Amino acid sequence: DGGITQSPKYLFRKEGQNVTLSCEQNLNHDAMYWYRQDPGQGLRLIYYSQIVNDFQKGDIAEGYSVSREKKESFPLTVTSAQKNPTAFYLCASSRAEVGEQYFGPGTRLTVT
Amino acid sequence: AQRVTQPEKLLSVFKGAPVELKCNYSYSGSPELFWYVQYSRQRLQLLLRHISRESIKGFTADLNKGETSFHLKKPFAQEEDSAMYYCALSRGGSNYKLTFGKGTLLTVNP
Repeated sequence: DGGITQSPKYLFRKEGQNVTLSCEQNLNHDAMYWYRQDPGQGLRLIYYSQIVNDFQKGDIAEGYSVSREKKESFPLTVTSAQKNPTAFYLCASSRAEVGEQYFGPGTRLTVT
Repeated sequence: AQRVTQPEKLLSVFKGAPVELKCNYSYSGSPELFWYVQYSRQRLQLLLRHISRESIKGFTADLNKGETSFHLKKPFAQEEDSAMYYCALSRGGSNYKLTFGKGTLLTVNP
């Protein structure tokens, strides 16, 4: 089954702990993205990467970090500095210079 | 900076009625516009893009540069059209980030 996968589906953490969300794709896409989806807010871009070993901040990068060591993988770390980490996180990928993005199933993070 | 506005958070219609989901954008260049859809318990997926000029599941959308709009239309709504719809904009070229609107939740009643 090709596509983009995110794990886990649900994640629970205590406040003050860092947590890493996984995103893997086997579509051979160059670009990968992380979004946060909150009710009434739509999708907001956290980080994106157009090639391996390079990434850029999106609109709401504060309190998050990413790495892109492999083309297939783009993990997102939600740090303790993120003030409102509880949210639904979506990962996406696309071919270079193509606007169509393919989305993963999402990870729902709850921090208490 | 670009912006995408979807003025309706919720839209409710009856089966068989026409439906129009509004999308307005602000961007000074030549954008690419998209509609994405998220059905219940499914992934967000592309519905259509303006450069394709095609109809998907009976939906069409025309880019109106004069009014900076990209409204999504369907002449006869079906219950299975109930979903969250997002309008998105790309600046095109080598910059292919998407800017999303806040979404419209469409409910088609029987």
